[in-house]
Amino acid sequence: AQSVTQLDSQVPVFEEAPVELRCNYSSSVSVYLFWYVQYPNQGLQLLLKYLSGSTLVKGINGFEAEFNKSQTSFHLRKPSVHISDTAEYFCAVKETSGSRLTFGEGTQLTVNP
Amino acid sequence: SAVISQKPSRDICQRGTSLTIQCQVDSQVTMMFWYRQQPGQSLTLIATANQGSEATYESGFVIDKFPISRPNLTFSTLTVSNMSPEDSSIYLCSVEGQHTEAFFGQGTRLTVV
Repeated sequence: AQSVTQLDSQVPVFEEAPVELRCNYSSSVSVYLFWYVQYPNQGLQLLLKYLSGSTLVKGINGFEAEFNKSQTSFHLRKPSVHISDTAEYFCAVKETSGSRLTFGEGTQLTVNP
Repeated sequence: SAVISQKPSRDICQRGTSLTIQCQVDSQVTMMFWYRQQPGQSLTLIATANQGSEATYESGFVIDKFPISRPNLTFSTLTVSNMSPEDSSIYLCSVEGQHTEAFFGQGTRLTVV
């Protein structure tokens, strides 16, 4: 079975500062990795995904993430955040042979002026 | 990408009643997924719905409480039966995209009083 741990439940930062949201996963088989964002009163939107190939993946809104197989991590980064990035961020994992998506507990990113 | 419409977007219901949530996708999909997001928490998979067969429920969820219909390849319903305040959550419909990512509806925000 797979699992996901998001190491920070809340991350407050100032506008234009860099941010990293941490995600570790556990699985005995190969996985796909995802980051989703949920703005208040909305559904989930895909930020980026790692399927294979380059370990550095770029997503929408200036976000990127790096897959580290040895550390079983998939941390999300943005070099300069905006007020509009305030939202809940979810890391998710899916086995390459399966269809079941497992989510982490979420990280609330709050960008302050 | 898939466009998913969920109805209703929110509802306030009396305990002991039932609510049926509808999910419409703009393309044919094999599997549809139903998630629950309790207040301040992550997403938990309720069940997977395949067209023409009974839904597959995750541990802790039963058909009598969450009956699901899947009459065709673009539509599904989830019913929350005999509701109690503990059922107050966001319920989300999801489908799998071409490249393994998941697409989500806007969610149904249910409050049981």
